[in-house]
Amino acid sequence: KAGVTQTPRYLIKTRGQQVTLSCSPISGHRSVSWYQQTPGQGLQFLFEYFSETQRNKGNFPGRFSGRQFSNSRSEMNVSTLELGDSALYLCASRGGNTDTQYFGPGTRLTVL
Amino acid sequence: GQQLNQSPQSMFIQEGEDVSMNCTSSSIFNTWLWYKQEPGEGPVLLIALYKAGELTSNGRLTAQFGITRKDSFLNISASIPSDVGIYFCAGPDNAGNNRKLIWGLGTSLAVNP
Repeated sequence: KAGVTQTPRYLIKTRGQQVTLSCSPISGHRSVSWYQQTPGQGLQFLFEYFSETQRNKGNFPGRFSGRQFSNSRSEMNVSTLELGDSALYLCASRGGNTDTQYFGPGTRLTVL
Repeated sequence: GQQLNQSPQSMFIQEGEDVSMNCTSSSIFNTWLWYKQEPGEGPVLLIALYKAGELTSNGRLTAQFGITRKDSFLNISASIPSDVGIYFCAGPDNAGNNRKLIWGLGTSLAVNP
């Protein structure tokens, strides 16, 4: 089975722009979670989608949004980028009735 | 809310040494997950624990689900340079029925060849 894929792997944007990141989960997995990770920090939970519905949400401002498509692929969008949004954005998928999440390689976003 | 505390925060060891790290919680967890993250990559699942007292191995790695269900331990035997990375523990949030994962802040491991 192919693993979780994320595109793009690297991205450079400037303040005020918006960005869209994409995640394709493991085939058959219906849950996709997004995390933000900054140097020295743990994984900060953004949100989780299951069957096209947001099931959980972390404590991030409304500039951070996401969606999930019928094929379980997910996108997250950040509008009006700030310097502090520079981070590794990780996507994880989960299948069945398990708590185990499988991660993609992440998208490294740099905001200048 | 639930929190996971990992210790130590970082370790610098010599190749060949054994490593121990742990994860504690103020509340009970039903599952413990251990992940390893290498620089620039996503975390990779190492070991999953589902039962209090469970001891599970994956090669040189051994993890235990504490009998109080409030802690878990990860041991690495005979460390090698490729063990370098950040080790995270995680468990499902028991508050409500949302099954969101709660994460520790990680233990950063450096191995001197």
